[in-house]
Amino acid sequence: DQQVKQNSPSLSVQEGRISILNCDYTNSMFDYFLWYKKYPAEGPTFLISISSIKDKNEDGRFTVFLNKSAKHLSLHIVPSQPGDSAVYFCAARVINTGTASKLTFGTGTRLQVTL
Amino acid sequence: EAGVVQSPRYKIIEKKQPVAFWCNPISGHNTLYWYLQNLGQGPELLIRYENEEAVDDSQLPKDRFSAERLKGVDSTLKIQPAELGDSAVYLCASSLAWQNNEQFFGPGTRLTVL
Repeated sequence: DQQVKQNSPSLSVQEGRISILNCDYTNSMFDYFLWYKKYPAEGPTFLISISSIKDKNEDGRFTVFLNKSAKHLSLHIVPSQPGDSAVYFCAARVINTGTASKLTFGTGTRLQVTL
Repeated sequence: EAGVVQSPRYKIIEKKQPVAFWCNPISGHNTLYWYLQNLGQGPELLIRYENEEAVDDSQLPKDRFSAERLKGVDSTLKIQPAELGDSAVYLCASSLAWQNNEQFFGPGTRLTVL
């Protein structure tokens, strides 16, 4: 059961344009969402996150939007740069009262930014 | 600040052989995670440690996988015996216990079982 879904395995965008990466989830208990970026032969690195009490979070060229009713979030990159070419993973956290909690990852979307 | 260190980076073994992966988390990070990443998939949690205690190992196939974090710092993940289906990237991550939303990942160990 894939609780976090990234239905587009790949995306190609021209440099300077907007990249929109989408993510859907099924578990209504998720309370925190994160995007990770992964270059080949490296581990994922944290990019941006959003709490379920918000619908938007912005950090420079990166903005994450959350639509709780639709159980959908998206990552916008504006403007896209060649260095943004990587695999992007959406991840979600289940509400947990412990000191740390499990992240559930999507399958990733490979973004290619072309010149 | 040094990141999460993993070794080896690559390992090729024959099936039924044992294999071990090592992880050194970021200094001061109490929480350590081992993830499995199959080709074309996202990372999946195998085990999570709080200091030296395994607090979530529900996804660890205990018949062949084992892990330890004896002094609450370094950790070792072992597979014995390895099967063809174990070929994957094994990622280690760490986080501060109270900043659990951001996990810092190591580069991973790519295991190939022949």
